[in-house]
Amino acid sequence: AQSVTQPDIHITVSEGASLELRCNYSYGATPYLFWYVQSPGQGLQLLLKYFSGDTLVQGIKGFEAEFKRSQSSFNLRKPSVHWSDAAEYFCAVGATTDSWGKFQFGAGTQVVVTP
Amino acid sequence: DGGITQSPKYLFRKEGQNVTLSCEQNLNHDAMYWYRQDPGQGLRLIYYSQIVNDFQKGDIAEGYSVSREKKESFPLTVTSAQKNPTAFYLCASSLGGEETQHFGDGTRLSIL
Repeated sequence: AQSVTQPDIHITVSEGASLELRCNYSYGATPYLFWYVQSPGQGLQLLLKYFSGDTLVQGIKGFEAEFKRSQSSFNLRKPSVHWSDAAEYFCAVGATTDSWGKFQFGAGTQVVVTP
Repeated sequence: DGGITQSPKYLFRKEGQNVTLSCEQNLNHDAMYWYRQDPGQGLRLIYYSQIVNDFQKGDIAEGYSVSREKKESFPLTVTSAQKNPTAFYLCASSLGGEETQHFGDGTRLSIL
């Protein structure tokens, strides 16, 4: 079965600085990969997804992620963080042929943005 | 605008009581899901439904029940058998099992 690890529980970054959130997955083939963002008391909003093709994926709000098969990683990046980026971020491995509809979510990374 | 509506936003349960969380979608999605979110644990799948009149247990189905009588609706009942129901519950839907899941704004359930 697939699994997802987000090594960083909490990250503090200054406004205007760059941000990178790590995500490692475990699966024998190439999975579907997603990054979601969650503001307090809200649902999850999709930032970007990778199914196949170009390994550098562009998303909403200026985010991008790079799929690296050799490292089993799908790290999320943003060149310049805004105060509104403070939220919790979840990496997810999507359904594969043997686990229909069963996304595996990482435990999340809480991002705090300081002035 | 299409989307997923969860109600109520806050819900309180008394000991021995069953409560039902509502989830409605107008995205014309076939698949719907219920997740439980606890701090530091990410999202855990409770139940999912691929199509009307069909649903499957997820990873933590004990103490919960669902129905899928209409394509638009996937209510979740938290029964008295669920001994630790305090959590944030999220409903999601997708076109199919491999597709992006779209989420509602959640219901926070607490014990009185």
